[in-house]
This record gives sequence, C-alpha cells and structure tokens, in this order.
Amino acid sequence: AQSVSQHNHHVILSEAASLELGCNYSYGGTVNLFWYVQYPGQHLQLLLKYFSGDPLVKGIKGFEAEFIKSKFSFNLRKPSVQWSDTAEYFCAVHGNNRLAFGKGNQVVVIP
Amino acid sequence: EAGVTQSPTHLIKTRGQQVTLRCSPISGHTSVYWYQQALGLGLQFLLWYDEGEERNRGNFPPRFSGRQFPNYSSELNVNALELEDSALYLCASSFSRGGYTFGSGTRLTVV
Repeated sequence: AQSVSQHNHHVILSEAASLELGCNYSYGGTVNLFWYVQYPGQHLQLLLKYFSGDPLVKGIKGFEAEFIKSKFSFNLRKPSVQWSDTAEYFCAVHGNNRLAFGKGNQVVVIP
Repeated sequence: EAGVTQSPTHLIKTRGQQVTLRCSPISGHTSVYWYQQALGLGLQFLLWYDEGEERNRGNFPPRFSGRQFPNYSSELNVNALELEDSALYLCASSFSRGGYTFGSGTRLTVV
C-alpha cells in the first residue's frame, strides 16, 4: 500500500512570505497526486491535482505543486501567502484503489 | 449542486455502544469513501463502496463495517465503541480517480 510523508507539521509565517510544503510518497505503480486544504471550521477542499502531463500544476488561490517522479515528491508552493491561507494542508496519493493522505501541515499566517 | 451530506454532525456515545453514520454522495457519484480523522493521525482510509459493493478496506477491525444502498448513499457502522474511536468521520464521493469531494463529517465522541 502507498504511504505519504509530510514534513514540518506546524508552519508559522508572516504575510507575503513564501510557502513550500514537502510531500513524499512511496508507491511503485501509477499514481495520481493531490493537495487538499481544510480551512478552520470547514470541510476538506481540493487545492490541486496531478494526473499526467506537465509536472508543474497550478491550483486555486495561487498555489502550485511540482511532481518530481525521480524523487517521489509533490511539493506545494505559494510565492506570497495571505492571512486567509491559514489552514491545514494535506497531500494525498491515489493508487491501489485508495486515496492515502499524509498527516497534514498546520499552516498559520500571521498578519 | 448539493454536496456530500453527512448526518449527524455530532454524536456522543458511551463505550461499548454501537453507532451508525450516514452519507449521501453527490448526485451521479457511485463511489463512496469513508475516512477517520483522529487527532494527530491525519486521515485514515476506512472503506470504499462502489455500485453497492465493498471494494476496498483499510486497516481497521471488523467492528467497523458499512453498506451502500441502491441510491448510492452509505452507512458506516461501528460496534463495541472504544474511547480511541473518538474522531471526525469523513465521507467522500467520487466519479473519477481520486477526485474526491468530501462532506463536513460527523464528530463522534466516545466517553
């Protein structure tokens, strides 16, 4: 079964700072990759996804992620965060008929 | 379009009791997935139902079970509740590979 690792579980940064969240997965087959976001008090929402093609994927709210197959990574980035980006971010990998999630990154943006 | 709906939103049960959680998928989605989101553990895959059949199961004991009805709605049953079953139970529906839409969840507290 696949597994997903997310590092730096708690991230605190100031507005306008750049954000990068790491995601590494282990799975030998073809995978589809996702980042989900959970804003305080809200349900999980899809931020972006990668199925195939251009490994640099752009999502909503200025987020992007890059799939590096050789490194089994799918890191999330945003050049300049806003206070409203405070949320928990989950990387997920779909393979073997299931969607496996990492443990999440709690991101707090200070105004 | 109505999203994924779950009921009830909150539930308090005592150890040893049984609980049933309900989920209605987005219209047209035939797959329903159940996840457990316990504090500090991220989202753990529980069950996947598609076209009325259980298709995949996570690493949970048999007291976690469920079913899917002809209208694609689903129930998750947990028997002999234990304190560590306290968690947010999330349901998601999908029509494609990992493009899941999540409900707001049922918060279960076992005392």
